[in-house]
Amino acid sequence: QTVVTQEPSLTVSPGGTVTLTCASSTGAVTSGYYPNWFQQKPGQAPRALIYSTNNKHSWTPARFSGSLLGGKAALTLSGVQPEDEADYYCLLYYSGAQGVFGGGTKLTVL
Amino acid sequence: QVQVVQSGAEVKKPGASVKVSCKASGYTFTSYGITWVRQAPGQGLEWMGWISNYNGDTNYAQKLQGRVTMTTDTSTSTAYMELRSLGSDDTAVYYCATGVSYPDHWGQGTLVTVSS
Repeated sequence: QTVVTQEPSLTVSPGGTVTLTCASSTGAVTSGYYPNWFQQKPGQAPRALIYSTNNKHSWTPARFSGSLLGGKAALTLSGVQPEDEADYYCLLYYSGAQGVFGGGTKLTVL
Repeated sequence: QVQVVQSGAEVKKPGASVKVSCKASGYTFTSYGITWVRQAPGQGLEWMGWISNYNGDTNYAQKLQGRVTMTTDTSTSTAYMELRSLGSDDTAVYYCATGVSYPDHWGQGTLVTVSS
């Protein structure tokens, strides 16, 4: 059973920078896993932020960026805003185009 | 603009089946597939699988193989997800989203409650 691991929770100050990571139980995450990142606020559907490691959707704020960092997929928020408080999920694709979500990171802006 | 609208909430008894619809508009339906995701109460997202709106190819999560069927009606730009032999752990909000390798536009979600 493949497991995708994210930090359960992180706290950041307004205006600060924070990096969320996404690790695979199978080894290093590469671009071949097509990492996606989603934001979800309470009571809302998820919103896509990043696809294929570092590509932004047209609606993705510039302060969000995706990368590969130390064998993991990473989502960095620079200049965090209060409205960025949310749950963040990564999605990786494995052989056979099977997708697996990470457990999510609860980001608190305090 | 792209819009994705799902069917309304459902209450089902254990052992029953449910079929959720997902109508997409604002783009060429057959150009992209549909991904299905669910979220149990207070839990994270679970990838269920996808269907190609171009040729009907499907790819289901191994955990759901044999219980789930995804279909598409290109004449109405609507995708469907049917889940059979429901149990209490199938109680969740079910989402559809356009795209296969990068689900981008999401529906509002459909709450399916399984209860006797």
